[in-house]
Amino acid sequence: AQSVTQLDSHVSVSEGTPVLLRCNYSSSYSPSLFWYVQHPNKGLQLLLKYTSAATLVKGINGFEAEFKKSETSFHLTKPSAHMSDAAEYFCVVRPFSGGYNKLIFGAGTRLAVHP
Amino acid sequence: GAGVSQSPSNKVTEKGKDVELRCDPISGHTALYWYRQRLGQGLEFLIYFQGNSAPDKSGLPSDRFSAERTGESVSTLTIQRTQQEDSAVYLCASSLAGSSEGLGYTFGSGTRLTVV
Repeated sequence: AQSVTQLDSHVSVSEGTPVLLRCNYSSSYSPSLFWYVQHPNKGLQLLLKYTSAATLVKGINGFEAEFKKSETSFHLTKPSAHMSDAAEYFCVVRPFSGGYNKLIFGAGTRLAVHP
Repeated sequence: GAGVSQSPSNKVTEKGKDVELRCDPISGHTALYWYRQRLGQGLEFLIYFQGNSAPDKSGLPSDRFSAERTGESVSTLTIQRTQQEDSAVYLCASSLAGSSEGLGYTFGSGTRLTVV
């Protein structure tokens, strides 16, 4: 069975400090992995995706994530947080086999950025 | 349209009533998905439409839930005899094709359903 676990429900950082949002996945095969962001009262927006190419993936707004197969992790990072980064972040897995048309979402991590 | 449009944006209904939620996908997007997001939780897959193929209904939680799509246009999600546990944000997404790469997904802003 495929699943995704976001290890922190809430993360709080100061503006200008690094951001780390943790995600572990479970998949029988090589999955595709994504990070989505959801700002208040706005739709979900794709930040970045991994689909078996480079293991370090760069996304929008300075975010990046590294796929580590040995650790079954896909943590999201950003060197320096900005106030506008405050939002809900979802780690998402698309199983390689079965359920092609379904994305499996983690429970989300709410990021707060303080001045 | 420019994006995926969902209506209403908010719906409060009494327990036992039926509700209908609407999704207008991006023009030309052949694939359409419904997800449910309960408070503090991730998105749960409900149903998937792809062109004229039979929809994947495997995520619908009970027979009170149904969805229709006319061709490659509007979709409606109907919940009959609503229960308090149905309270959630219902999100619709569309994409250019059946590929679930995630890159081509565009989500709507959702309908917040509250059952009282």
